[in-house]
Amino acid sequence: KQEVTQIPAALSVPEGENLVLNCSFTDSAIYNLQWFRQDPGKGLTSLLLIQSSQREQTSGRLNASLDKSSGRSTLYIAASQPGDSATYLCAVSLYSGGGADGLTFGKGTHLIIQP
Amino acid sequence: DTEVTQTPKHLVMGMTNKKSLKCEQHMGHRAMYWYKQKAKKPPELMFVYSYEKLSINESVPSRFSPECPNSSLLNLHLHALQPEDSALYLCASSQETFREYYNEQFFGPGTRLTVL
Repeated sequence: KQEVTQIPAALSVPEGENLVLNCSFTDSAIYNLQWFRQDPGKGLTSLLLIQSSQREQTSGRLNASLDKSSGRSTLYIAASQPGDSATYLCAVSLYSGGGADGLTFGKGTHLIIQP
Repeated sequence: DTEVTQTPKHLVMGMTNKKSLKCEQHMGHRAMYWYKQKAKKPPELMFVYSYEKLSINESVPSRFSPECPNSSLLNLHLHALQPEDSALYLCASSQETFREYYNEQFFGPGTRLTVL
C-alpha cells in the first residue's frame, strides 16, 4: 500500500525566506503527483501537478520537482509571504486497471510565515 | 471556471436521520471523487466515479451510498451514521482518469458534517 510522508510536519520562518518542503512515497510506480494548499477549515487548492514522466513544474514563486526512482518530491517556495501560511499537502495517484485511482495524501506541512 | 461546488456547507444530523450531500461541477469533467477528512488528518479516498460508473469503493461502510446521476453531479447519501463519521467531506473532479495530464483533481470547499 502506498505511503506518503512529508517532512517537516511544521515550519515557521520569517517573511522573505526561500523554503523547501519534502515529500516521499513508497511505491515509485506513480501516475502523477499533486501539491495542494489547505487553509484552516477549507477545501484544497491545487498548486502543481507533476506527471510521472516529468521532472519539475513551475508556477509563479512555486517550483516542484519529482524524482520517481527515489520516491521523492520537493516543493520550493521563493520569497515567502504571510499569505503563504497554510498546510501544504503532497498527494500521489497510482494507475489501476481502469485508470488512475484516487489520491493518497501525506499528513502535510503546516507552514507559518512570520511578518 | 475551475469550480467545484458542494452543498450544504454544514450539516448536523442524528444517528437515525437520512441526509444527502451534493457536489456539482460544470467543467466537463468525467471523473468525480469523494474524500473524507477528519480533524488534523489528511483526506482519505472513499469513492471514484469514472464516466458516471463507480470504479473504486475503498471498503466504505454501506451507510454511505454514492450516486452519480449525470456527468456534472455527484451525491453522497447518508443513513444511520455514527458520531465517528463526523468529518469534512470533500468532493473533487478531474477531466478523466485515463491520461496523466487530465488527472489533475480540483476540490470543492467541503461539507462539514456533525453526527450527534
